[in-house]
Amino acid sequence: AQKITQTQPGMFVQEKEAVTLDCTYDTSDPSYGLFWYKQPSSGEMIFLIYQGSYDQQNATEGRYSLNFQKARKSANLVISASQLGDSAMYFCAMRGMYNQFYFGTGTSLTVIP
Amino acid sequence: DVKVTQSSRYLVKRTGEKVFLECVQDMDHENMFWYRQDPGLGLRLIYFSYDVKMKEKGDIPEGYSVSREKKERFSLILESASTNQTSMYLCASSKRGSLMNTEAFFGQGTRLTVV
Repeated sequence: AQKITQTQPGMFVQEKEAVTLDCTYDTSDPSYGLFWYKQPSSGEMIFLIYQGSYDQQNATEGRYSLNFQKARKSANLVISASQLGDSAMYFCAMRGMYNQFYFGTGTSLTVIP
Repeated sequence: DVKVTQSSRYLVKRTGEKVFLECVQDMDHENMFWYRQDPGLGLRLIYFSYDVKMKEKGDIPEGYSVSREKKERFSLILESASTNQTSMYLCASSKRGSLMNTEAFFGQGTRLTVV
């Protein structure tokens, strides 16, 4: 069975500071993908970044980077230089061998001016 | 612009009613998914489909069924709506394949209230 764990229900960060959102996962699949999504108060789900289980380097997309530690089964999202528009729910997700996407419970991020 | 469209943004139904939530995607994706989102519980997979007429149960299928008669359309059915099915329902689609780097695309969500 696949499982995604996000242990931080809520986080606060000062504007322009960096913040790390934690995600750990559990799977027996030899190959898998890890994703982060942002959900603003409007409710849309916005794809942010992807990390493959066989990727040697950590993924980066602009101000987003993924701290991938395969042995520890963690895939933490790092947001650099936080902006007010980063305030949202953030979900970690995993895609397994059978194409399902499993999501964590989410972290609510608030950026303080 | 790629799109996943859910038929309703808001729905109010009575207990015991049969409820249909419709989802259409225009990306020719093989996989389609239905999730429900509740505060503190994240997104939980109800059902998914990897091809026309094919379906697999997710983590919380009880009280729900699905239908996929055409590739672009995936319907979620609440056979007899109950108040504990009040929730936000999200439809998603993705390409099938061995590559893992194909994300899921989401609809705008349907907020269902059962009274």
